[in-house]
Amino acid sequence: GEDVEQSLFLSVREGDSSVINCTYTDSSSTYLYWYKQEPGAGLQLLTYIFSNMDMKQDQRLTVLLNKKDKHLSLRIADTQTGDSAIYFCAEKISPYNQGGKLIFGQGTELSVKP
Amino acid sequence: KAGVTQTPRYLIKTRGQQVTLSCSPISGHRSVSWYQQTPGQGLQFLFEYFSETQRNKGNFPGRFSGRQFSNSRSEMNVSTLELGDSALYLCASSSGLAGVTGELFFGEGSRLTVL
Repeated sequence: GEDVEQSLFLSVREGDSSVINCTYTDSSSTYLYWYKQEPGAGLQLLTYIFSNMDMKQDQRLTVLLNKKDKHLSLRIADTQTGDSAIYFCAEKISPYNQGGKLIFGQGTELSVKP
Repeated sequence: KAGVTQTPRYLIKTRGQQVTLSCSPISGHRSVSWYQQTPGQGLQFLFEYFSETQRNKGNFPGRFSGRQFSNSRSEMNVSTLELGDSALYLCASSSGLAGVTGELFFGEGSRLTVL
């Protein structure tokens, strides 16, 4: 089946690291994504990882993928108040090896306290 | 490079009416996907179009339909509106080519309120 689970809330202090976790069920996922949504806005792609990778680092963002456990995490180093937003994990389901739809988690609301 | 543009941004309709939402993808992108976002159900996939053809469809009733034009612009239509159709409708574009990462670039959405 297709399902992506995330915890709903995370609160951290400015300067700390944030870790947002996600589990997915479809083992045929090719790409996994992290999107950020600020109030009143659409979704902004933060980063993605191909399913044959274990880790990807992009400036303050580190993505870890445990394919055996179907677990994905996003670490934000030196979290700032501007990072406060909802973060969505998504997996790409690609029937027919073309395009494909994304299955999104419920989103994790990250609150960064000064 | 202009992003994904959705119109209108906000609209209010009453039950039983129909609505048409428009999406202009990033220049050069040939795939357009539509998602519905609600507090209860989260983000749910509606459909995807590529080169004027529907390539994928989510689990929504037939009241939800869409189309894509030769310039890749897309419209979605919801007929016989119900209160539960109140949502943020997000359009996303991608290059849509097989084998490419296929990341989606989202517009800011059309917020539909059904009274």
